[in-house]
Amino acid sequence: DAKTTQPNSMESNEEEPVHLPCNHSTISGTDYIHWYRQLPSQGPEYVIHGLTSNVNNRMASLAIAEDRKSSTLILHRATLRDAAVYYCILRGGLNSGYALNFGKGTSLLVTP
Amino acid sequence: EAQVTQNPRYLITVTGKKLTVTCSQNMNHEYMSWYRQDPGLGLRQIYYSMNVEVTDKGDVPEGYKVSRKEKRNFPLILESPSPNQTSLYFCASSRGQLNTEAFFGQGTRLTVV
Repeated sequence: DAKTTQPNSMESNEEEPVHLPCNHSTISGTDYIHWYRQLPSQGPEYVIHGLTSNVNNRMASLAIAEDRKSSTLILHRATLRDAAVYYCILRGGLNSGYALNFGKGTSLLVTP
Repeated sequence: EAQVTQNPRYLITVTGKKLTVTCSQNMNHEYMSWYRQDPGLGLRQIYYSMNVEVTDKGDVPEGYKVSRKEKRNFPLILESPSPNQTSLYFCASSRGQLNTEAFFGQGTRLTVV
């Protein structure tokens, strides 16, 4: 399965934009890039996903490099509630049971 | 409200005593799966099901069983729990596979003594 690499932790000030990077140099042509986050004491929560084009939704934006070897999750205005572990995931295909392969993620700290 | 419901949320049991963790979703999703989360190891998939009566092993299936007799329910069965199965368990469901979001339950914290 293709793997992702993320920084262990990042810090942001409240109400500032946050750019969370992810490298996935071994991505295959059919891998979708998914982002989930996990708030303390909760189950993972879907954030956004994409294949080739940049994507926007009410929570965040996903910028995907042209060669698809990296992507960036953008939180436009961080709030204290956005403090969580963010996971960049390449959702596996049939051979891996379409598993969401969670790595260690990036722990985002948001300070007032 | 779309949701995945797991029960119980917390469970302490003794080695060898069979237990079942239930998972139910109200979104008519075909795909359901179970994960366990351990410190330093992240979330790992235990079993998954692509539809009723179709189940398959994930990365860490040893010591677990599942069944999918109806679309909404996907129970996780520990026939003879052992202390190394002490973990935080999550059930998830999604409409499809690659191109859809997954919904996760709130988790079941299991302690086997």
